[in-house]
Amino acid sequence: GQQLNQSPQSMFIQEGEDVSMNCTSSSIFNTWLWYKQDPGEGPVLLIALYKAGELTSNGRLTAQFGITRKDSFLNISASIPSDVGIYFCAGGGMILTGGGNKLTFGTGTQLKVEL
Amino acid sequence: AAGVIQSPRHLIKEKRETATLKCYPIPRHDTVYWYQQGPGQDPQFLISFYEKMQSDKGSIPDRFSAQQFSDYHSELNMSSLELGDSALYFCASSFGPTNTEAFFGQGTRLTVV
Repeated sequence: GQQLNQSPQSMFIQEGEDVSMNCTSSSIFNTWLWYKQDPGEGPVLLIALYKAGELTSNGRLTAQFGITRKDSFLNISASIPSDVGIYFCAGGGMILTGGGNKLTFGTGTQLKVEL
Repeated sequence: AAGVIQSPRHLIKEKRETATLKCYPIPRHDTVYWYQQGPGQDPQFLISFYEKMQSDKGSIPDRFSAQQFSDYHSELNMSSLELGDSALYFCASSFGPTNTEAFFGQGTRLTVV
């Protein structure tokens, strides 16, 4: 089925560094969301984007909805140890197929922070 | 704030047995989704309900069925379990039929032996 490609697949950074990850799709989405998942836990919603070109911040997190509606990026500034986890992008409401409200998840980016 | 509640958190079943997973959405949320996440994989959409009616269907096996009850809680019924059904099963809820801002529960880890 439809899959969103995230890059990088994993990152190992030092505490205090900024992090950037992105998500691309061959299909258009109406909304883009970013989730963080800790091992064995459910995804936690970080940021939701609803308009092409929209740039939204949530604390140290900043995300943008690509102009083409086919991509999004997430930036984390001044990383801290609790940022460790897997970050998933998710696209919703595919325009072309009228997919309604289900989410299609990206392949995930695993973030590891070195003290 | 109240979150999505799933039960049980862990479940071990033998092949060919049945399992029932329960989900209690955030209060006032009328839409429920079920996702399956295999080891090292991203969550895959199974099925969703809005106002007790099925609203969308994904890659859900015919052996699985689900429903949403009058109090908006949902149950996922899984029969003739196979080893490959071992996964994390997440329920998420949202408010409204087109709102994609879904909040996830902590999941049920199903192990089929």
